[in-house]
Amino acid sequence: NAGVTQTPKFQVLKTGQSMTLQCAQDMNHEYMSWYRQDPGMGLRLIHYSVGAGITDQGEVPNGYNVSRSTTEDFPLRLLSAAPSQTSVYFCASADRGTDTQYFGPGTRLTVL
Amino acid sequence: AQRVTQPEKLLSVFKGAPVELKCNYSYSGSPELFWYVQYSRQRLQLLLRHISRESIKGFTADLNKGETSFHLKKPFAQEEDSAMYYCALRPLSGNQFYFGTGTSLTVIP
Repeated sequence: NAGVTQTPKFQVLKTGQSMTLQCAQDMNHEYMSWYRQDPGMGLRLIHYSVGAGITDQGEVPNGYNVSRSTTEDFPLRLLSAAPSQTSVYFCASADRGTDTQYFGPGTRLTVL
Repeated sequence: AQRVTQPEKLLSVFKGAPVELKCNYSYSGSPELFWYVQYSRQRLQLLLRHISRESIKGFTADLNKGETSFHLKKPFAQEEDSAMYYCALRPLSGNQFYFGTGTSLTVIP
């Protein structure tokens, strides 16, 4: 099992550009989520999904879109990148009824 | 609204000394509390959860509902304990996790 994978590992964008951060898991987990990690702010929940076709907003959803067309994939889209979105992004998954979230390795995004 | 507070951004202790990482929470209902750890160059991973009352790598954490705290403790710190520690809360009725700002622990040899 690869667990939770994220691509790319690093990305530099210019303000206004769009991109998609990819996240995939091969554990057949129903629950998936996206976080951003900023110094002094900890991990903040962006969006989450409790199953294919179901998504919901977390604490800081503005500027981000998600979709969940399959159980395995949960991409995060930045439609128009802003410098405030410079951060490290983590994807996580969990099986229903369990407490353990499995995290991906993270994507370091810089928006100039 | 739920909130998790970790008052210490940085914490340094000597090897063999006791260590306590503080976590306080605010939530109107009964939450589940967790500690996650991120070692250098590794992924964030679950350390322990309050509901199982377990000791992992010598760490324990007791949920104090009166003080709304979930402090992480270890009697004798080891160098390999150096890491970033996050306290997290999950509402019993929900799926999402809310994390604190994290405490970076350094164990000095």
